Amino acid sequence: DVKVTQSSRYLVKRTGEKVFLECVQDMDHENMFWYRQDPGLGLRLIYFSYDVKMKEKGDIPEGYSVSREKKERFSLILESASTNQTSMYLCASTGWDLNSPLHFGNGTRLTVT
Amino acid sequence: KNQVEQSPQSLIILEGKNCTLQCNYTVSPFSNLRWYKQDTGRGPVSLTIMTFSENTKSNGRYTATLDADTKQSSLHITASQLSDSASYICVVSDYRGSTLGRLYFGRGTQLTVWP
Repeated sequence: DVKVTQSSRYLVKRTGEKVFLECVQDMDHENMFWYRQDPGLGLRLIYFSYDVKMKEKGDIPEGYSVSREKKERFSLILESASTNQTSMYLCASTGWDLNSPLHFGNGTRLTVT
Repeated sequence: KNQVEQSPQSLIILEGKNCTLQCNYTVSPFSNLRWYKQDTGRGPVSLTIMTFSENTKSNGRYTATLDADTKQSSLHITASQLSDSASYICVVSDYRGSTLGRLYFGRGTQLTVWP
């Protein structure tokens, strides 16, 4: 089974802190994604990467950056955390088969105070 | 504008009963439609993926249907169990040739199964 592992289930950070969310997948997938999920809004794409060192902005990239130095690892960085970034963050991966599913991690619930 | 709308927003049923969740979309050009199940505090898990040529697809007690002409899909759950309590998310991918399509997410239907 594909496993997507997010390093933290819960995080509490202060406003202005730099925050790193880590994601690792074990299926050699080329494509990796970061989403945030807020009540009533569904999942929104922050960034995605289709190869090492490659990244593309999603729908809501402002205030975030990403890093993909190795194929299996995709990091989301909040340069200066703000309270409106309190959310559930979900990492996902998939291969190049257009009809293969996204495999999600179990999420990191981030609270910024 | 490409959108995915799900109904109802929430649903409560008794254990053992059947239910049907709806998904309407305007995504074009269409590539595939996916249903995911998300348990509380967990990431979504894929139930089914259907392409343009598929009308129905089953995964155990879950059966998804697709009408590409009317741009509607449904997810039917048979003989519901307490473990079916979850959010069910409809996701539609647009078609972009050989590259991955963009995914459009519905807001989900929250299903609660009571004993």
